[in-house]
Amino acid sequence: GAGVSQSPSNKVTEKGKDVELRCDPISGHTALYWYRQSLGQGLEFLIYFQGNSAPDKSGLPSDRFSAERTGGSVSTLTIQRTQQEDSAVYLCASSHDRGPLGYTFGSGTRLTVV
Amino acid sequence: AQSVTQLGSHVSVSEGALVLLRCNYSSSVPPYLFWYVQYPNQGLQLLLKYTTGATLVKGINGFEAEFKKSETSFHLTKPSAHMSDAAEYFCAVSGGYSSASKIIFGSGTRLSIRP
Repeated sequence: GAGVSQSPSNKVTEKGKDVELRCDPISGHTALYWYRQSLGQGLEFLIYFQGNSAPDKSGLPSDRFSAERTGGSVSTLTIQRTQQEDSAVYLCASSHDRGPLGYTFGSGTRLTVV
Repeated sequence: AQSVTQLGSHVSVSEGALVLLRCNYSSSVPPYLFWYVQYPNQGLQLLLKYTTGATLVKGINGFEAEFKKSETSFHLTKPSAHMSDAAEYFCAVSGGYSSASKIIFGSGTRLSIRP
């Protein structure tokens, strides 16, 4: 597509439920990044994909967080047993072969855990 | 490893006044430096970036930033603020240009413009 698409744009869930957040990168972009933006915080790196593999998962905050990417395209970030501290905006970025010089961000998914 | 510190979580200036947003970085390798802007309820947009070469970098909307290695700083400036500049600004750093060199962001500075 023309840009990075994230869905849903907003998600309200009850504490303890599982949620899935989706990212559709720009077609042909091999690198994909997930970030979390909490209120009053900067963007916290979560995970990086190159193709379908994730060589850097260092930012995932706990084992409740996981992500996968299929077909070198769509990525899903899953949060199990959501907690209130998971409330944040989850941003996805993709890049072709220029790494940080070519980031394009999606508009994010705002997750609210009640 | 890389890190970024943005001085001041909120800056308020009058319309027409100088905008100065401060950023200091730490990097174990020559850094790539970025400023991003986020307008309310929108995604992140790249304002400008420094890779190598000229240390004064010009970006969109009249913004510029100067890379000062001796001060490990990359402050963002604009000579005359406009109401439309009100937004959240993020300074960021990466350690290279490969895809594995992820961008590390600062905590952001909210810029308000007074009429």
